[in-house]
Amino acid sequence: QQPVQSPQAVILREGEDAVINCSSSKALYSVHWYRQKHGEAPVFLMILLKGGEQKGHEKISASFNEKKQQSSLYLTASQLSYSGTYFCGTGSLVVSARQLTFGSGTQLTVLP
Amino acid sequence: DVKVTQSSRYLVKRTGEKVFLECVQDMDHENMFWYRQDPGLGLRLIYFSYDVKMKEKGDIPEGYSVSREKKERFSLILESASTNQTSMYLCASSLFTGQETQYFGPGTRLLVL
Repeated sequence: QQPVQSPQAVILREGEDAVINCSSSKALYSVHWYRQKHGEAPVFLMILLKGGEQKGHEKISASFNEKKQQSSLYLTASQLSYSGTYFCGTGSLVVSARQLTFGSGTQLTVLP
Repeated sequence: DVKVTQSSRYLVKRTGEKVFLECVQDMDHENMFWYRQDPGLGLRLIYFSYDVKMKEKGDIPEGYSVSREKKERFSLILESASTNQTSMYLCASSLFTGQETQYFGPGTRLLVL
């Protein structure tokens, strides 16, 4: 089963914050976040590994709660360039050590 | 930088045609993947390969086959294209490190008429 992402879509004004959630029914050892702009390939943003760490990448950060099998992506003071579709990809030993299972995506639109 | 290239950005085929989509990566990655991407459904795994001549089915393998004769090249084959295979097809590759970050190609948008 695919991880569940929420919300499905969000519209922001420049400078506002957003949170995107990713929830799995499987025990996870990693969560990967990607952003895809229209007509382009998904681009890797960051990886979170088992251990409940939080990571940051400029004004984009993420957390991983392995007990709840959830990850959240935080976008702070959003910029126009943040627009795109965000996917979480989960790594689970239940599925395969080599595969990621992707959520259906969250479409983020940042307006001026 | 990892580079994953796909043979075509856009393809238009007729129902019943045999379709080949090719993917090449230049970073000596063991793993290669084929996904299809449809609105509201995200990325769904069709097939993946972890070594030359090795393949494993993903979540939606029906109607597709794959070939990996060389480490850098992974082909997706639609034996007899149907209209419900109209989609965006994405190829990805990764090293087997236990962290499995995948790097994606630009995608092929296939229209089957």
